[in-house]
Amino acid sequence: DAGVIQSPRHEVTEMGQEVTLRCKPISGHNSLFWYRQTMMRGLELLIYFNNNVPIDDSGMPEDRFSAKMPNASFSTLKIQPSEPRDSAVYFCASRSTRETGELFFGEGSRLTVL
Amino acid sequence: DAKTTQPPSMDCAEGRAANLPCNHSTISGNEYVYWYRQIHSQGPQYIIHGLKNNETNEMASLIITEDRKSSTLILPHATLRDTAVYYCIVGNTDKLIFGTGTRLQVFP
Repeated sequence: DAGVIQSPRHEVTEMGQEVTLRCKPISGHNSLFWYRQTMMRGLELLIYFNNNVPIDDSGMPEDRFSAKMPNASFSTLKIQPSEPRDSAVYFCASRSTRETGELFFGEGSRLTVL
Repeated sequence: DAKTTQPPSMDCAEGRAANLPCNHSTISGNEYVYWYRQIHSQGPQYIIHGLKNNETNEMASLIITEDRKSSTLILPHATLRDTAVYYCIVGNTDKLIFGTGTRLQVFP
């Protein structure tokens, strides 16, 4: 099992550019979560999906952020336009709702917006 | 989701047991207690979870008080590799909200 796969691992971009982060959950998992981590705010839940449907996006900071899950094996988090305050590590995680247990996290995508 | 309270930091000598407390006085009947840890800048890693009963796995033990208002994570023989931020979370099978956690420093 390859685990949750995120790309890119590192991204450096300039303010105003579009950023797309990608996530491949573990096969068979039907819930997917996007978290953001900064020193100031810690780990924040941005949005989560069950069976490819967004369930709660109350953590998405503003309209510049959008997330999609077109199928069970792929999700994207897009920031357009990006701003320096969006600099953070973005984690994707997946789990099976058929169990009560663990979230499996990816290694994260470190975003730096200059 | 119920909130949790954890000490910001703790120290533990290598080889000794590390006991990490967590208060969750507003936990509701269907909410589980989960523990995760985050080593340096890696993604958080699941450790253990429980509902009412004490639980043990290869990584740790979880002790939940009878009234479920607090719990303790026990690492029986801490190693230097256990240095990490430990998060106690209460929730159900939907979203899990992470707090600030306890930074555990294991020293030689």
